[in-house]
Amino acid sequence: DGGITQSPKYLFRKEGQNVTLSCEQNLNHDAMYWYRQDPGQGLRLIYYSQIVNDFQKGDIAEGYSVSREKKESFPLTVTSAQKNPTAFYLCASRSPGQPQHFGDGTRLSIL
Amino acid sequence: AQSVTQPDIHITVSEGASLELRCNYSYGATPYLFWYVQSPGQGLQLLLKYFSGDTLVQGIKGFEAEFKRSQSSFNLRKPSVHWSDAAEYFCAVGATGGFKTIFGAGTRLFVKA
Repeated sequence: DGGITQSPKYLFRKEGQNVTLSCEQNLNHDAMYWYRQDPGQGLRLIYYSQIVNDFQKGDIAEGYSVSREKKESFPLTVTSAQKNPTAFYLCASRSPGQPQHFGDGTRLSIL
Repeated sequence: AQSVTQPDIHITVSEGASLELRCNYSYGATPYLFWYVQSPGQGLQLLLKYFSGDTLVQGIKGFEAEFKRSQSSFNLRKPSVHWSDAAEYFCAVGATGGFKTIFGAGTRLFVKA
């Protein structure tokens, strides 16, 4: 079955450490997205990519970085510059003019 | 500015009762409209979408929504709620031909026996 796989499901970060969240899709979608979800705030867009080797900042990109070297993969790195990284992170993808499909998320916590 | 407002942070209904979740949007162009559902610790699942045509759209799990352009609304309804419907519901709007989707803050549904 086609879908979006996020890993790991739970991740812990130490102070000053960078961590990378994985997102893989086999839906052949061109566009991919990363969102951050905090209680009561809905989804906030971190980064998105319309095609391979291209990506744009979303509304809250500070402290995060991404790459898009393959169509199937869009990893998100939470850097030490992100001072409040504890959140639920969701990856999504879509075809033009269609709704976004979501992965099951990664919950990041600080040790 | 583009925005989506879900006025109710949480709603409690009795099992078997009808449900209506409100959604209002502000969008300059003709919008695509969506409703998603999220169970705790999970991703978002698409319930239904409106692109054009009939303003009453049917979705999965017995849900429907009605697009009212004059009121800038896209309310979600279900005639009889089941305990398994307890979850968080998100309304969203996107541009025709665009890449971004704007999400509301969500409405958490509680179902009591």
